[in-house]
Amino acid sequence: NAGVTQTPKFQVLKTGQSMTLQCAQDMNHEYMSWYRQDPGMGLRLIHYSVGAGITDQGEVPNGYNVSRSTTEDFPLRLLSAAPSQTSVYFCASSYVEPGHLYEQYFGPGTRLTVT
Amino acid sequence: GENVEQHPSTLSVQEGDSAVIKCTYSDSASNYFPWYKQELGKRPQLIIDIRSNVGEKKDQRIAVTLNKTAKHFSLHITETQPEDSAVYFCAASWKGAQKLVFGQGTRLTINP
Repeated sequence: NAGVTQTPKFQVLKTGQSMTLQCAQDMNHEYMSWYRQDPGMGLRLIHYSVGAGITDQGEVPNGYNVSRSTTEDFPLRLLSAAPSQTSVYFCASSYVEPGHLYEQYFGPGTRLTVT
Repeated sequence: GENVEQHPSTLSVQEGDSAVIKCTYSDSASNYFPWYKQELGKRPQLIIDIRSNVGEKKDQRIAVTLNKTAKHFSLHITETQPEDSAVYFCAASWKGAQKLVFGQGTRLTINP
């Protein structure tokens, strides 16, 4: 099992460009999420999904879109990149029951720089 | 919404001593409290978690305690070793919510 995979590992964008960060998991997890990690601020939830066709916003959703067409994939789209979106992005997946979360399995991360 | 505060932001201990990291949460309906360890340049990984119906949980040198009245939970690492050096994050989730809120992290350094 590959677990949670993310591509690309590194990316440099110019302000105003758009791009999609890819995330895939092979553990048949219904729950998937995206976090951004900035120094001194921990991990902040951007968007999450409890199953195919279902997505919801986290703490910092502005400037990002997601969709979930399959159980395996959960791409994160930056619509118009801004320097404030420079960060390390982690995708995670887990088993889920109504009202209960379980261990989050994180991908290796994508380091994004916006100039 | 839920807020999680973590202290201290940095902690340095001698090898063999104990380390304690504390977190407080704001939502009394919180019911799940995991701890993640992140080594430099790596992804976060779960080291221990506890649910609100349990007051303490141990796994070898690691333990987590939960005080629901005071709304705080703590990570205890005993007999620390150099490989315990990392950033540790606490998190909380509350009943009905399908999301985790993380603390700001504690950089733990074990001095030989």
